[in-house]
Amino acid sequence: NTKITQSPRYLILGRANKSLECEQHLGHNAMYWYKQSAEKPPELMFLYNLKQLIRNETVPSRFIPECPDSSKLLLHISAVDPEDSAVYFCASSPGTGTGNTLYFGEGSRLIVV
Amino acid sequence: GEQVEQRPPHLSVREGDSAVITCTYTDPNSYYFFWYKQEPGASLQLLMKVFSSTEINEGQGFTVLLNKKDKRLSLNLTAAHPGDSAAYFCAVTPYDSGYNKLTFGKGTVLLVSP
Repeated sequence: NTKITQSPRYLILGRANKSLECEQHLGHNAMYWYKQSAEKPPELMFLYNLKQLIRNETVPSRFIPECPDSSKLLLHISAVDPEDSAVYFCASSPGTGTGNTLYFGEGSRLIVV
Repeated sequence: GEQVEQRPPHLSVREGDSAVITCTYTDPNSYYFFWYKQEPGASLQLLMKVFSSTEINEGQGFTVLLNKKDKRLSLNLTAAHPGDSAAYFCAVTPYDSGYNKLTFGKGTVLLVSP
């Protein structure tokens, strides 16, 4: 799937700051950040619709999302914690209404050392 | 809220055998159902989207069954092959949650050996 691209694909961090980037070329209005820890299902972190944040699940304040335009999504991470080690997936869907199909990006694997 | 239980967590079958993965859910208002496949180190790929109104859904090499009475969704892989080895996740969303709220099962890791 090259229609939702994420960078970087791998990230090894100490207690540093970094940003994850996502871009979708599907013309979708909704974009999501999901966190997938080892051997667990994806968990919703944030949901944007047309650049507006409409869902913010219980996420530590060191994670700050940004949506500069409807096709791009960023996730700023500061002072990471070992529990943040996971794969972070960007996803998009045509809209935010229930039943919209989610399409996932390749993921960014964060390793906290 | 919705709870989705997916079984089994791990499944090993031989090539050519069938494999069955089942999800049970609690919310009777659940309306849209999804199966995703995730190969090791890769993204989640949509296998099938199922509507509440359709009980039997045929895919390429698999069938998805929906039993609304028992609130059970199953993925039946017929004649599994090694390329089917992956993690499989079901996801459920109600008709009117206000936003696209998917509740995922915990996943099933399928290993198909030659």
